[in-house]
Amino acid sequence: QKEVEQNSGPLSVPEGAIASLNCTYSDRVSQSFFWYRQYSGKSPELIMSIYSNGDKEDGRFTAQLNKASQYVSLLIRDSQPSDSATYLCAPGGGYQKVTFGTGTKLQVIP
Amino acid sequence: DVKVTQSSRYLVKRTGEKVFLECVQDMDHENMFWYRQDPGLGLRLIYFSYDVKMKEKGDIPEGYSVSREKKERFSLILESASTNQTSMYLCASSPRRLAGGHWRDTGELFFGEGSRLTVL
Repeated sequence: QKEVEQNSGPLSVPEGAIASLNCTYSDRVSQSFFWYRQYSGKSPELIMSIYSNGDKEDGRFTAQLNKASQYVSLLIRDSQPSDSATYLCAPGGGYQKVTFGTGTKLQVIP
Repeated sequence: DVKVTQSSRYLVKRTGEKVFLECVQDMDHENMFWYRQDPGLGLRLIYFSYDVKMKEKGDIPEGYSVSREKKERFSLILESASTNQTSMYLCASSPRRLAGGHWRDTGELFFGEGSRLTVL
């Protein structure tokens, strides 16, 4: 079983809508999670981190973590065409090896 | 800002050639990683290093080796390049931070711009 699972998409949302990206993981050791955004032809960049159960908000982005369900999500409010990218999640903290989900491609339609 | 620099953005090599991909980071990060990224397969971990001269195999180490002689530099070596190693190669570094009196791996990765390798 893969350690991190994401729906590959593409997920298409109209401009101004809420985009919801989901990630499940199998390793109960994971203490924190990170969301990366990768534009086409570019390398991934860290956009959000979450360390405890519940929600963490940063501007239009909200990360949600549920350790009991081994589930983490990223909500993007008021989606913009510039948010069109592939979003990767990865567990972190507590051990050195970092593996990623395959990523969800988000398309925001103007 | 953290800067991770990969020596070559684009390389074209022939089958059987030895290939070196260099990565340098300027933030004194303890951990460094090499991934390859292929369409539909996502990021796959080749090797990582948590200290100078230390290395650990990732998920797909076959056909690759690494070298970390200095903390800031992590090299990926393809001893005999093959066509199935044509890919985008991404280097990343990651810090440890003091938390609760212990140094802990953060898992926050900072990536270089990538090296696109084509093996003919």
